[in-house]
Amino acid sequence: EPEVTQTPSHQVTQMGQEVILRCVPISNHLYFYWYRQILGQKVEFLVSFYNNEISEKSEIFDDQFSVERPDGSNFTLKIRSTKLEDSAMYFCASSEYQVGPGSFGPGTRLTVT
Amino acid sequence: GENVEQHPSTLSVQEGDSAVIKCTYSDSASNYFPWYKQELGKRPQLIIDIRSNVGEKKDQRIAVTLNKTAKHFSLHITETQPEDSAVYFCAASNGDSNYQLIWGAGTKLIIKP
Repeated sequence: EPEVTQTPSHQVTQMGQEVILRCVPISNHLYFYWYRQILGQKVEFLVSFYNNEISEKSEIFDDQFSVERPDGSNFTLKIRSTKLEDSAMYFCASSEYQVGPGSFGPGTRLTVT
Repeated sequence: GENVEQHPSTLSVQEGDSAVIKCTYSDSASNYFPWYKQELGKRPQLIIDIRSNVGEKKDQRIAVTLNKTAKHFSLHITETQPEDSAVYFCAASNGDSNYQLIWGAGTKLIIKP
């Protein structure tokens, strides 16, 4: 069964640095999402992406964040000038239909020091 | 915006017994209610979902009920097994959004042998 994949599995970066988290959604899916989960807390919606543009974003997704689908398979989340509070697990997700994320990736654990 | 409350935060049941997890939501426009299972250190997995035009949905040992008037929905797991041990998250669409989900805080389900 096809799965969403993410790289890297763990990223350590210094405060103020830029990071790019990468995702490969399931190939026939059309809707893509980024979520984050601070350790032990609830999952938080960041952004959804459809037809090569952002369809919705949360209050968390400010100018520090951006997403891109640079080619037909990758979906990236860029965090500029990382802060300590950006430390979390970042999940990419995708779905075939417009009903919310059906398939999650394994996550990238981001640690900002 | 939507707010989702989930109870209990921890639930311990004897193997073979049933488990019930309850969620309430605040926005009457919400129309999509998925449930996710997250095992320790792993990705969330969609286990069942329900739309607002349906009152109940069942998939083998798992069922979800929705009471639109009271704005609450519940997950029922019957004949619990050790592999059911995980954290379960409910979620609700943010109003009539098709993209953004607001998640509950999670319920840690422990199945005692």
